[in-house]
Amino acid sequence: EPEVTQTPSHQVTQMGQEVILRCVPISNHLYFYWYRQILGQKVEFLVSFYNNEISEKSEIFDDQFSVERPDGSNFTLKIRSTKLEDSAMYFCASSERPGQGGETQYFGPGTRLLVL
Amino acid sequence: GQNIDQPTEMTATEGAIVQINCTYQTSGFNGLFWYQQHAGEAPTFLSYNVLDGLEEKGRFSSFLSRSKGYSYLLLKELQMKDSASYLCAPRGGFKTIFGAGTRLFVKA
Repeated sequence: EPEVTQTPSHQVTQMGQEVILRCVPISNHLYFYWYRQILGQKVEFLVSFYNNEISEKSEIFDDQFSVERPDGSNFTLKIRSTKLEDSAMYFCASSERPGQGGETQYFGPGTRLLVL
Repeated sequence: GQNIDQPTEMTATEGAIVQINCTYQTSGFNGLFWYQQHAGEAPTFLSYNVLDGLEEKGRFSSFLSRSKGYSYLLLKELQMKDSASYLCAPRGGFKTIFGAGTRLFVKA
């Protein structure tokens, strides 16, 4: 069964450093998403991406964040200058398309980011 | 504004039925997801309701009333492995907002 994959599974970084989290969505999916979940808290929407551009983003997704689809398979989230409060689990998700039964978002296993 | 309310915790007995309610207020609405999340793992898809009414899928059913901003997830024949958090997540446009989740404890 196809699945979303994410690398690395864990990342430890120093405050102020840049990190890139990588995701490989399911191959025939067209819509991609990033979410984060701070330990013990709810899953929070960050951004959705379609056709090489951001479709929607939350207020969390400020100028420190960017997303990119550098090739036909990868989808990345970059945090330019990490802060302590960026420590969280970051989930990538993908879906075929909104509407006509293709809305289901399948989540990757997550990258646990720890900022020291 | 956006607001999603679901009970924080519920406890039920193996073999029983449990209903997890969710009320929501969102700007824009296309449908509502229910996800299951075990501790330390990613959410896994359970159901997606677009139209009013009940959708049944094996031991899990989900109900939606768009006019009331209300949904519930019904779990039948509870098993120990159903102990997890259940996340109500309305979708509007390209944005899905998750509730804080209901932690379900299934006891023998």
